Amino acid sequence: AQSVSQHNHHVILSEAASLELGCNYSYGGTVNLFWYVQYPGQHLQLLLKYFSGDPLVKGIKGFEAEFIKSKFSFNLRKPSVQWSDTAEYFCAVSAGYSSASKIIFGSGTRLSIRP
Amino acid sequence: GAGVSQSPSNKVTEKGKDVELRCDPISGHTALYWYRQSLGQGLEFLIYFQGNSAPDKSGLPSDRFSAERTGGSVSTLTIQRTQQEDSAVYLCATRGGGTDTQYFGPGTRLTVL
Repeated sequence: AQSVSQHNHHVILSEAASLELGCNYSYGGTVNLFWYVQYPGQHLQLLLKYFSGDPLVKGIKGFEAEFIKSKFSFNLRKPSVQWSDTAEYFCAVSAGYSSASKIIFGSGTRLSIRP
Repeated sequence: GAGVSQSPSNKVTEKGKDVELRCDPISGHTALYWYRQSLGQGLEFLIYFQGNSAPDKSGLPSDRFSAERTGGSVSTLTIQRTQQEDSAVYLCATRGGGTDTQYFGPGTRLTVL
């Protein structure tokens, strides 16, 4: 069964700093990978996803993530964060070729941006 | 509807009572997921329905938890004989309509006293 690890529980940055949040998954086969964000008081929403093709995926609000198969990683990056990026970020994985499979989430990383 | 809706938004119950949580999916979405979000624990997968297939119940923490999805639409998560450790936000998400994206509802915050 697949699993996801997010090693950073809480990250604090100043505005304009660069961001990288780690995500490692455990599964030997084909995977689909996601990053979700939950802003304070709001629903979870999709930031970006990888199913196949270019391993560098660009999402909304300037976020990107790179799938490195050899490292079982899908780290989230943003070159310059803003105060409005304060939120909780979840990495998720689903297994197999079909998009119709269960999605397993990591424990989340809380990002706090100092204005 | 415009999005996934869940009811009630908040539920406070006494230990030992049964509770039912409801999820109304986006019309036409064939996949439906239940998750539990506890403080500092991230999202814990509970159960997954896909069309008419047998649900994937591998995440249900005990036999006190059950869920059904009637007519491939509305889903109900039932927790029997609630315990204090069941206190959490229960999230429903659906997927379908040709998109790979999960859409989450606002959640039900369950507090067991």
